[in-house]
Amino acid sequence: DAGVIQSPRHEVTEMGQEVTLRCKPISGHNSLFWYRQTMMRGLELLIYFNNNVPIDDSGMPEDRFSAKMPNASFSTLKIQPSEPRDSAVYFCASRREGQIWNSPLHFGNGTRLTVT
Amino acid sequence: SQKIEQNSEALNIQEGKTATLTCNYTNYSPAYLQWYRQDPGRGPVFLLLIRENEKEKRKERLKVTFDTTLKQSLFHITASQPADSATYLCALIANAGKSTFGDGTTLTVKP
Repeated sequence: DAGVIQSPRHEVTEMGQEVTLRCKPISGHNSLFWYRQTMMRGLELLIYFNNNVPIDDSGMPEDRFSAKMPNASFSTLKIQPSEPRDSAVYFCASRREGQIWNSPLHFGNGTRLTVT
Repeated sequence: SQKIEQNSEALNIQEGKTATLTCNYTNYSPAYLQWYRQDPGRGPVFLLLIRENEKEKRKERLKVTFDTTLKQSLFHITASQPADSATYLCALIANAGKSTFGDGTTLTVKP
């Protein structure tokens, strides 16, 4: 099992540019989560999908952020236009969710985004 | 408002001692609480889960307690080793699948 795969590992971009982060969840997992981690705010949930459908996007900061999950093995998080305050580490996590939703999250190693 | 607080930004202990980390929460009624470990440059890794009706859970050198009256979980690492040095995060699961994390406590175990 390769685990959750995120790309790129590092992204440096200029303010105003579009940024796309990618995630491949663990095969067989039916829930996918996007988190953002900063020193100031810790690990914040942005959005999560169940069976490819967005369930809760209340954590998405603003309209500049969008996420898609076109199929069970791929998700993207897009920021357009990017701003310096978006600089953070973005994590994707997946899990197998059944009737009892306590199964552990499996995280990727994150994308470190720097917006200058 | 809902809040999760983990004790002190950093905890330094001597090898062989027991490390105790705290997770306090307010305005939550979690059904489950999880503990994760995070190393620099890596994503969090799941360690233990405890249910609201469980008082204590153990796994090797790790022990977790969950007191829903005090709204607190304690995470213990006995016979600590330098390899246990990392940031430890607690996560509360209250609303159908949504995991909310504390800010973490960074543990350093000195040889």
